[in-house]
Amino acid sequence: DQQVKQNSPSLSVQEGRISILNCDYTNSMFDYFLWYKKYPAEGPTFLISISSIKDKNEDGRFTVFLNKSAKHLSLHIVPSQPGDSAVYFCAGSARLSGGYQKVTFGTGTKLQVIP
Amino acid sequence: KAGVTQTPRYLIKTRGQQVTLSCSPISGHRSVSWYQQTPGQGLQFLFEYFSETQRNKGNFPGRFSGRQFSNSRSEMNVSTLELGDSALYLCASSFSSGIGEAFFGQGTRLTVV
Repeated sequence: DQQVKQNSPSLSVQEGRISILNCDYTNSMFDYFLWYKKYPAEGPTFLISISSIKDKNEDGRFTVFLNKSAKHLSLHIVPSQPGDSAVYFCAGSARLSGGYQKVTFGTGTKLQVIP
Repeated sequence: KAGVTQTPRYLIKTRGQQVTLSCSPISGHRSVSWYQQTPGQGLQFLFEYFSETQRNKGNFPGRFSGRQFSNSRSEMNVSTLELGDSALYLCASSFSSGIGEAFFGQGTRLTVV
């Protein structure tokens, strides 16, 4: 059961334009969402997060939007730069009994920003 | 401060063998999680350890096991290796397993032949 889905395995965007990466989830217990970026031969690095009580969080060129009713979130990168070319993972975090969180990752979207 | 260190970086094993991977978390971090990354499958959660106790386990067969030591360093063991176990194994550390970002190591690339 894939609780976090990234239906686009890849995306190509021209430098300077907007990149929109999408993520759908099925687990209503997720109360926190995170985006990670992964370059080849490196581990994923944290990019941005959003609490389920918010619908938008912005950090520089990166903005995450959350639509709880649609169980959908998206990451916007504006303007896109060649250095943004990487695999982006969406993740949902749910609180389990015992009080700790479990993080579930999506399958990733490979973004290519074309100079 | 030093990041998450995983050793070895690359490993080639034969079917049927067993393998042990190591992860040293960021100093002060008590939670260590292990993930398997394969093409098209994203990051599949294996298990999480916190203060030497396994708190969470993913849907992997019993051939996959782990442990955490008192210094928070963690090891992951896979016995009776299968070709399908070939993957990048990532370790992530965090201060607790509460809300907040985890810090990943560079991973161990395991190839089973």
